[in-house]
Amino acid sequence: QKEVEQDPGPLSVPEGAIVSLNCTYSNSAFQYFMWYRQYSRKGPELLMYTYSSGNKEDGRFTAQVDKSSKYISLFIRDSQPSDSATYLCAMSALGETSGSRLTFGEGTQLTVNP
Amino acid sequence: DVKVTQSSRYLVKRTGEKVFLECVQDMDHENMFWYRQDPGLGLRLIYFSYDVKMKEKGDIPEGYSVSREKKERFSLILESASTNQTSMYLCASTWGQGWNEQFFGPGTRLTVL
Repeated sequence: QKEVEQDPGPLSVPEGAIVSLNCTYSNSAFQYFMWYRQYSRKGPELLMYTYSSGNKEDGRFTAQVDKSSKYISLFIRDSQPSDSATYLCAMSALGETSGSRLTFGEGTQLTVNP
Repeated sequence: DVKVTQSSRYLVKRTGEKVFLECVQDMDHENMFWYRQDPGLGLRLIYFSYDVKMKEKGDIPEGYSVSREKKERFSLILESASTNQTSMYLCASTWGQGWNEQFFGPGTRLTVL
């Protein structure tokens, strides 16, 4: 079983829709939770990160972590064609002397249609 | 701006060839990483390095080796390329210990024929 599971999609929505992207995980040691966005033919870029449980909002994006259910979500409000990309969840456990080792989900490909 | 560059965007090699993928970062980061990205499998960690001449195996190190002779440069080596190593290879870097944002290069699309 993979440590991090993510629905690969693809997901296609009309412009203005609310998008929900989700990941589940099995490793209780994960404490940092990230969402990376990857445009076609580019490397991933950090979109949002949260520490432990709770919500974090940044403009049209909200990241949600529920550690009791081992479930994280990314919500995109008023989605735009420029949001079309692959979204990758990633997680990290503290205590790694080598620092920042991440475990990624498979990525969800999102298309927002004008 | 942090910049992570990779030596090639596209590379085509023959089975059995020795392949070098180079990664350079300009932000004096201690930690550097090599991933491969495949459909349905996401990013998987091959090797990482937290200091010059230091390296640690990731989740899928078989068939790969790495070299870090200078802080800014991290090389991935395929000793004898095989078709199952056809993939997108991504390099990343970050600073310090604990969690910090990883900055990625644009990737190298390697095809092994």
